[in-house]
Amino acid sequence: QKEVEQNSGPLSVPEGAIASLNCTYSDRVSQSFFWYRQYSGKSPELIMSIYSNGDKEDGRFTAQLNKASQYVSLLIRDSQPSDSATYLCAVNGGGADGLTFGKGTHLIIQP
Amino acid sequence: NAGVTQTPKFQVLKTGQSMTLQCAQDMNHNSMYWYRQDPGMGLRLIYYSASEGTTDKGEVPNGYNVSRLNKREFSLRLESAAPSQTSVYFCASMLAGGPGEQYFGPGTRLTVT
Repeated sequence: QKEVEQNSGPLSVPEGAIASLNCTYSDRVSQSFFWYRQYSGKSPELIMSIYSNGDKEDGRFTAQLNKASQYVSLLIRDSQPSDSATYLCAVNGGGADGLTFGKGTHLIIQP
Repeated sequence: NAGVTQTPKFQVLKTGQSMTLQCAQDMNHNSMYWYRQDPGMGLRLIYYSASEGTTDKGEVPNGYNVSRLNKREFSLRLESAAPSQTSVYFCASMLAGGPGEQYFGPGTRLTVT
């Protein structure tokens, strides 16, 4: 059974600070990793993907991957109130059934 | 490009009624997926179609059927709706053989009374 674990939150971060979101996964053969952002009442939106160990930066977002520890994280720098959303971690083990999703972390950026 | 589209956006059914949720994508993706999302449960895979002509059960297939009409379209049918099927339904698509990025439609909010 593939599992992706996230702290459900809410995670409250002051505006301008760094928000750190974490995710662990159970399937060691997982190959690619994704972060989705979901605003209330909307569909998940892909914001970051990472495929190899280390860091990947895109604007204010940095994804980090450590395959040995089976750990993925997302850092959001200079957090804005518009970053308030639920963040879903997703893992692709290469099967035809696609991604395994975590239940998401609810992030609140306090003005 | 419209991406992934879903109809309807909202629907209210009475117990026992049937309906079909429609999904279409214009990204030339091979694989398509149906999920339901309930509070505290996350996204749960109902059915998927890895390629045109194939469909497979996901984690929660009971009470649902699917049809992969062609490469673009993948429909989800509720034959006899039950209150437990009250949920938000998302369709997603993915390019088979790629890294696994899925793109989601806007969702259908279904209430069964």
